[in-house]
Amino acid sequence: DAKTTQPPSMDCAEGRAANLPCNHSTISGNEYVYWYRQIHSQGPQYIIHGLKNNETNEMASLIITEDRKSSTLILPHATLRDTAVYYCIVRSRDNYGQNFVFGPGTRLSVLP
Amino acid sequence: NAGVTQTPKFQVLKTGQSMTLQCAQDMNHEYMSWYRQDPGMGLRLIHYSVGAGITDQGEVPNGYNVSRSTTEDFPLRLLSAAPSQTSVYFCASSRSGQGGITPLHFGNGTRLTVT
Repeated sequence: DAKTTQPPSMDCAEGRAANLPCNHSTISGNEYVYWYRQIHSQGPQYIIHGLKNNETNEMASLIITEDRKSSTLILPHATLRDTAVYYCIVRSRDNYGQNFVFGPGTRLSVLP
Repeated sequence: NAGVTQTPKFQVLKTGQSMTLQCAQDMNHEYMSWYRQDPGMGLRLIHYSVGAGITDQGEVPNGYNVSRSTTEDFPLRLLSAAPSQTSVYFCASSRSGQGGITPLHFGNGTRLTVT
């Protein structure tokens, strides 16, 4: 699976959009981009995933560049409860096994 | 639905003691895995299982054993605890990866301290 690079930390004002970038320049055609977050010391929580099209759900939007070498997770109206560590993971569509490799992620602080 | 349940929530062991961290899921997920998370770091995969009777090693398997006798349960055994195993342990599950991509569901962790 391709490696990802994320900034170690970001700040965002409450009520504004939080845009979290992720670089995955070695991504291959069958690899998906996943986003998870971890609030305080809880278990990681799934947010969204995509292959090449932009995706949106009730939590966030995922924008993947046309060359698929980078992506951005957008939280449209960040709240204090969105303060967390956000992980970007690239994973191939294996036929067997699911090994999600979590890096250090981006620590997002939503400020009042 | 309880999801993924981990017990105990907290545990303190002395060096050399053994124990089993329990993980159970009620979603009929084929895939289960164990991660450890050290302070300020991401998660590292210890062992995983793609179905009952099948297990495999992850990135940091040394010092840990697993077995998968049922779909629901995936216990993690520490054979002889060492201070380096002080960490937070997360169990996760998902539907099979065959033919599709499914997100992982995580438990809330077991916080283990080895003195």
